[in-house]
Amino acid sequence: EIVMTQSPATLSLSPGERVTLSCRASQGISSSLAWYQQKPGQAPRLLIYGASTRATGVPARFSGSGAGTEFTLTISSLQSEDFAVYYCQQYHNWPPRTFGPGTKLEI
Amino acid sequence: QLQLQESGPGLVKPSETLSLTCTVSGGSISSTSSFWGWIRQPPGKGLEWIGSMFYSGDTYYNPSLKSRVTLSVDMSKNQFSLKLTSVTAADTATYYCARLGRWLPFDHWGQGTLVIVSS
Repeated sequence: EIVMTQSPATLSLSPGERVTLSCRASQGISSSLAWYQQKPGQAPRLLIYGASTRATGVPARFSGSGAGTEFTLTISSLQSEDFAVYYCQQYHNWPPRTFGPGTKLEI
Repeated sequence: QLQLQESGPGLVKPSETLSLTCTVSGGSISSTSSFWGWIRQPPGKGLEWIGSMFYSGDTYYNPSLKSRVTLSVDMSKNQFSLKLTSVTAADTATYYCARLGRWLPFDHWGQGTLVIVSS
C-alpha cells in the first residue's frame, strides 16, 4: 500500500498570502496525484489531477507540481473562500486508493 | 451535468449491515470511461477509500475492509450500492459516493450521508 503524508497538519495564514502545501508518497507514483479541497459540511472537491492539471472551474491561483514522490499545491494569493482542508490522493497503484491525512488552512 | 446522491438509513445497530445506494443522474452508470466508488470520513477525521467498481461488475476493495464490503450495480435504475457487514462504532462516518476513472481521480462526488452505528 502506498502511504501518503502531508505537511504541515495546520497552517495559519492571512488573505492575500501565498501558500505551498506538501504531499509525499511512500513510493513513486509518477504524476498520478490529485488534490482535493473540503470545506466544513461539504464533499471534497477535485482541484488538481495529474499532479498539475487544474480541474474544470478551478481558479488559476491554484497550481500543482511534482512527480515521483514529492508534490506541492500552491495557492498564489489566498482568498477567504480558500480556508479549508486540502487532501492529496494517489491513483497510480490501486487498490487501495490512498489519501493523505490533510492540511487545514485556517485564518 | 453528472450528479450523484447517496441514500440509506442514517442509523444502524452494531453487528448489523450498513446498506447505502448511490443514484446517478445526468450520465449513464454503464459509461465505459467511468468507475464508481465509495469513500467514507469519520467525524473530524480524514478520507478513506472503501471500494470501486465498473458497471460490468469488476470490483476493487480496500484490503482493510474487503472481508466486510460488497459493491453492486443496478443498471436499470442507474444506481450502485454498498453493503458493509458486522458494523461497529468505528464505522460511524459520512459516506460519499463518487465517480472516478480507472487512472483518474474522483471527479464527481455525492453530498455525503452520515451513518451512525449505535444501539
